[in-house]
Amino acid sequence: EAGVAQSPRYKIIEKRQSVAFWCNPISGHATLYWYQQILGQGPKLLIQFQNNGVVDDSQLPKDRFSAERLKGVDSTLKIQPAKLEDSAVYLCASSLVSGARHTIYFGEGSWLTVV
Amino acid sequence: AQSVTQLDSQVPVFEEAPVELRCNYSSSVSVYLFWYVQYPNQGLQLLLKYLSGSTLVKGINGFEAEFNKSQTSFHLRKPSVHISDTAEYFCAVRGLGRNQGGKLIFGQGTELSVKP
Repeated sequence: EAGVAQSPRYKIIEKRQSVAFWCNPISGHATLYWYQQILGQGPKLLIQFQNNGVVDDSQLPKDRFSAERLKGVDSTLKIQPAKLEDSAVYLCASSLVSGARHTIYFGEGSWLTVV
Repeated sequence: AQSVTQLDSQVPVFEEAPVELRCNYSSSVSVYLFWYVQYPNQGLQLLLKYLSGSTLVKGINGFEAEFNKSQTSFHLRKPSVHISDTAEYFCAVRGLGRNQGGKLIFGQGTELSVKP
């Protein structure tokens, strides 16, 4: 079974530029998560989708971050304009449904450096 | 709301020695508990989870953890570590109930460094 796929793996951009990350969850998984992991910290949830609807985006900086999951499968996370403090690993994850018993599977992450 | 505190940011240990990584949590609702491992330049991999039943949970790679409700702890242990166990370990909780959304709340991580 294929895992959670993310691209690109690494990206370096200048501040005020834009960047987009793509995620393809495990087949059949209805719930998709984007987490931000800053160096030396634990991952923090940015947004959670259930199919193509948003369940939780309370910690998403909406003035610069946006995410979509138009057909309930793939998802894109965009940052525009980027700031230095956005340097982090962006982890996509998925689970069969959102119930707490169901394991959340993580992708390998997209590493962003803003210079 | 939930929060997780991992009491040690770094744990150096010699190969074949035992290790314990400490985790405490706080929550106003019942929770499930998890430990994830992150190897360098990789994503998170589930080590083990506590949902219900026996408070001693066994996971992959010889790790185990014990849930202590009265102390709100979920410490991770391994009786004999290998060089390959060198990684970052994250403790996490998920709140139960319809309004919790199922998201994971993570601790800050503990860097386990196994030396020969």
